[in-house]
Amino acid sequence: DTAVSQTPKYLVTQMGNDKSIKCEQNLGHDTMYWYKQDSKKFLKIMFSYNNKELIINETVPNRFSPKSPDKAHLNLHINSLELGDSAVYFCASSPMVQETQYFGPGTRLLVL
Amino acid sequence: QKEVEQNSGPLSVPEGAIASLNCTYSDRGSQSFFWYRQYSGKSPELIMFIYSNGDKEDGRFTAQLNKASQYVSLLIRDSQPSDSATYLCAVKGSGYSTLTFGKGTMLLVSP
Repeated sequence: DTAVSQTPKYLVTQMGNDKSIKCEQNLGHDTMYWYKQDSKKFLKIMFSYNNKELIINETVPNRFSPKSPDKAHLNLHINSLELGDSAVYFCASSPMVQETQYFGPGTRLLVL
Repeated sequence: QKEVEQNSGPLSVPEGAIASLNCTYSDRGSQSFFWYRQYSGKSPELIMFIYSNGDKEDGRFTAQLNKASQYVSLLIRDSQPSDSATYLCAVKGSGYSTLTFGKGTMLLVSP
């Protein structure tokens, strides 16, 4: 009965590679988010989708491309990975844009 | 630039004491305020939210909001060692604005 799930949990890869992280929520929420938490634990919004439509795109390099095939899924594809991309990436969802967000377990990305 | 400020701590309190965690925010139009708890290596989990000025109590937790002072706090009564974690304050403006998180305050409750 997992609410917000992410795969993979850990991702170790080389600089320059392309990787994807997947997120699924079974809460019936309309809005999903991607956050990045850096080594200093600062949690920062990257993207937000409402009903499969991109509504928030913070200052994120074009190498990051989110995709929402349906309301329950929001994936994150990263091209040409850089050392600075190493972080924990959290997916979250909320019933609507203005409501409480629930977080997934995180994906720990390490770029070597 | 919307900012949310928290003292990074650590805030150390003995078991059974009251822990007081504070947060200030810069956007006067902010409407919703959240406290999340994050254990090391885990994801943030919601503790409380508050929308109106005043106090809101839930068990051992009390959130306090003062919009005039742009200040929100979280009190934890009868602190337990299991409360040791980083507490993240998050603030949301109006419309399609996102949550802006503070950097978190680490709380250490000693037995």
